[in-house]
Amino acid sequence: KQEVTQIPAALSVPEGENLVLNCSFTDSAIYNLQWFRQDPGKGLTSLLLIQSSQREQTSGRLNASLDKSSGRSTLYIAASQPGDSATYLCAADQGGKLIFGQGTELSVKP
Amino acid sequence: GAVVSQHPSWVICKSGTSVKIECRSLDFQATTMFWYRQFPKQSLMLMATSNEGSKATYEQGVEKDKFLINHASLTLSTLTVTSAHPEDSSFYICSAPRQVDNSPLHFGNGTRLTVT
Repeated sequence: KQEVTQIPAALSVPEGENLVLNCSFTDSAIYNLQWFRQDPGKGLTSLLLIQSSQREQTSGRLNASLDKSSGRSTLYIAASQPGDSATYLCAADQGGKLIFGQGTELSVKP
Repeated sequence: GAVVSQHPSWVICKSGTSVKIECRSLDFQATTMFWYRQFPKQSLMLMATSNEGSKATYEQGVEKDKFLINHASLTLSTLTVTSAHPEDSSFYICSAPRQVDNSPLHFGNGTRLTVT
């Protein structure tokens, strides 16, 4: 059974810092790995999707990597801003069924 | 713009009543949709897979008689919470894969259910 774990559970940083969020999964048989952002009381915003054959994806200040062999993915956020404050979720896609991690609650202080 | 529409966005109901939540794919057909539930301060957990024209597949621990899923058309899946109780209060969200390309799963904006 796939299990997805995110570390840390919460993170508070000053504005401008670069940061890394970690995601690990137990079953490497995934179609892709996705990162989402969730604001309080809101739905999900898709950030990045890394296909199982890819190693990384980039979008603006965000870069996500995937190492299937070790069951790990990281989300790198460069030059963090207060607007980045949210919960970040990673999810392993097993044929459309997403198994989510518990999330990392990020707070970026001005 | 949104490609998956979920309605209502929030609902308050009394204990014992039933609530129906709709999930629509707006510009594509979805033979499969997924329903998730998120309790406060927790992550999303898959409840069931909705299959057009056939029975839904429920995850372990999800009561199929309590959470009725109907996927009667290629663009609409409904989740009905029957005889709702306060412990059913949660955030329910659906998703649909856009299978014509490798785009990410599209999620609805979710439904906040509060049972009093």
